[in-house]
Amino acid sequence: DTAVSQTPKYLVTQMGNDKSIKCEQNLGHDTMYWYKQDSKKFLKIMFSYNNKELIINETVPNRFSPKSPDKAHLNLHINSLELGDSAVYFCASSQPGPGLAGEQQYFGPGTRLTVL
Amino acid sequence: GQSLEQPSEVTAVEGAIVQINCTYQTSGFYGLSWYQQHDGGAPTFLSYNALDGLEETGRFSSFLSRSDSYGYLLLQELQMKDSASYFCAANTGGFKTIFGAGTRLFVKA
Repeated sequence: DTAVSQTPKYLVTQMGNDKSIKCEQNLGHDTMYWYKQDSKKFLKIMFSYNNKELIINETVPNRFSPKSPDKAHLNLHINSLELGDSAVYFCASSQPGPGLAGEQQYFGPGTRLTVL
Repeated sequence: GQSLEQPSEVTAVEGAIVQINCTYQTSGFYGLSWYQQHDGGAPTFLSYNALDGLEETGRFSSFLSRSDSYGYLLLQELQMKDSASYFCAANTGGFKTIFGAGTRLFVKA
């Protein structure tokens, strides 16, 4: 019974295309995140959502548009894909604690995006 | 800017003890987490320190000194399966967590 799931696991596409990644958590958490991990394994926060509301947008290009239809889902749509978007994208969830980010984040398995 | 510094690589032998240090510089701070990530896998939570001192969870322990903006992860009785990347992460408030660049741990037989 997967706690945080993402689809697809792999995504290979051409420059200029539009693609979406879906994320679902069954932990009952209020907060969900998108992270980008580049080839050097640097893990950078992109977005935080709490109770379906966007809280953080970390200077991500507006080609990236997250959508949270409900607390259990946070999807990521990317327009006009560029070579530099190639990375692994992780969805995560947590229950807010002091500082609100939550002590423990649960990560999905990741989506490896390759832009050709 | 906000940043966390940790060594890029550490090598140790099976059965040994290894310490991975992390210093942080953030505008807000609520606690320090540690995550493990195997190649091709997702980060998994190891520990969290909100207060100064040592937290022990099995073979892993984590330490925090807020006055020194410093923490470490201690891995004891190293096993081959501990070979992975380890990330420290600061809870800076406002639903934001900043990760260090990760420390690659190589465990040799």
